[in-house]
Amino acid sequence: KQEVTQIPAALSVPEGENLVLNCSFTDSAIYNLQWFRQDPGKGLTSLLLIQSSQREQTSGRLNASLDKSSGRSTLYIAASQPGDSATYLCAVSSGTYKYIFGTGTRLKVLA
Amino acid sequence: GAVVSQHPSWVICKSGTSVKIECRSLDFQATTMFWYRQFPKQSLMLMATSNEGSKATYEQGVEKDKFLINHASLTLSTLTVTSAHPEDSSFYICSARTSGSIDTQYFGPGTRLTVL
Repeated sequence: KQEVTQIPAALSVPEGENLVLNCSFTDSAIYNLQWFRQDPGKGLTSLLLIQSSQREQTSGRLNASLDKSSGRSTLYIAASQPGDSATYLCAVSSGTYKYIFGTGTRLKVLA
Repeated sequence: GAVVSQHPSWVICKSGTSVKIECRSLDFQATTMFWYRQFPKQSLMLMATSNEGSKATYEQGVEKDKFLINHASLTLSTLTVTSAHPEDSSFYICSARTSGSIDTQYFGPGTRLTVL
């Protein structure tokens, strides 16, 4: 059974810092992995989608890497801003296309 | 990009009543839709997989008679919470799978259900 864990559970950093969010999964047989952002009381915003054959994806200040064999993904946020404050979720999809979500990292960027 | 909508965005109901939540794929056809629920400060948990024209597949521990799912067309799936109780209060999110060049899912904005 696939399990997805995110570390740290919460993170508070001053504005401008570069930071790394971690996601690990127990079953490496994944189809793809996706990082989402969720603001309080809101739905999900997809940030980056990495197919199983890919090693990384970049969008603006965000970079996500995938090491399928070790069951790990990282989300790198460069030059963090207060507007980046949110909960970040990673989710992995297996051959059945169901997404299993991680526990989330609550990020607060202080001005 | 592909858009998935949910209606209503929030609903408050009395205990014992039934509530229907709609999930629509606006600009693509979705043979498969998924329903998730999220309790406060917790992650999303998959409830069921909804396939157009067939019965939904429920995850372990989810009562199929309480959470009725209908996927009558390629653009609409509905989740009906029957005889709702306060413990059913949660954030319900659907996603729709698109099988284009990149097989992925698009998520709806969610529906917040509060049962009094």
